[in-house]
Amino acid sequence: AQSVTQPDIHITVSEGASLELRCNYSYGATPYLFWYVQSPGQGLQLLLKYFSGDTLVQGIKGFEAEFKRSQSSFNLRKPSVHWSDAAEYFCAVTNNAGNMLTFGGGTRLMVKP
Amino acid sequence: DTGVSQNPRHKITKRGQNVTFRCDPISEHNRLYWYRQTLGQGPEFLTYFQNEAQLEKSRLLSDRFSAERPKGSFSTLEIQRTEQGDSAMYLCASSLRVSDALHFGNGTRLTVT
Repeated sequence: AQSVTQPDIHITVSEGASLELRCNYSYGATPYLFWYVQSPGQGLQLLLKYFSGDTLVQGIKGFEAEFKRSQSSFNLRKPSVHWSDAAEYFCAVTNNAGNMLTFGGGTRLMVKP
Repeated sequence: DTGVSQNPRHKITKRGQNVTFRCDPISEHNRLYWYRQTLGQGPEFLTYFQNEAQLEKSRLLSDRFSAERPKGSFSTLEIQRTEQGDSAMYLCASSLRVSDALHFGNGTRLTVT
């Protein structure tokens, strides 16, 4: 069974500082990996996705993520955080049939001025 | 692309009542998904449609839950004899192809009193 772990439940960073959100997955074959962001009371917005090819993927809003097969990780990074980035971030994995997306528990990001 | 639309946004009901939620996916998307999200958790997969066929159901979907997509367009999720444990955000998502990321609606928040 596939699973996703986001070890950090809450993270607080200062505006302008760099950010890394951790994601570890468990999946037998090559996974399809995603990062979504959710603002309070809203649905989820896709930040970026990895299916194959270059292991460093670029997303919207200046985010990027790196797929590391040896570490079963897909960490999300941003070089300089903006106050508007405060939200909840979810990592997710699915198989190549795409039928069922499995989400991690989420990391809530707070940004200090 | 008008996005995935869910109605109502909020529903408060008394325990034991039946409720029905509606999801209108992006018009050309033939794949439709329902997820449930409880406070502080990531979304959990409930069920998946390809066109009008319900192809996969989670064990979370007890016999009190039923989902339909009669003409392969909009979908409804009904919960019969609601329980307090059903209180959650119910998210709908759609996609066109297997390799596409899911587009989520803003969800329906159910509160069972």
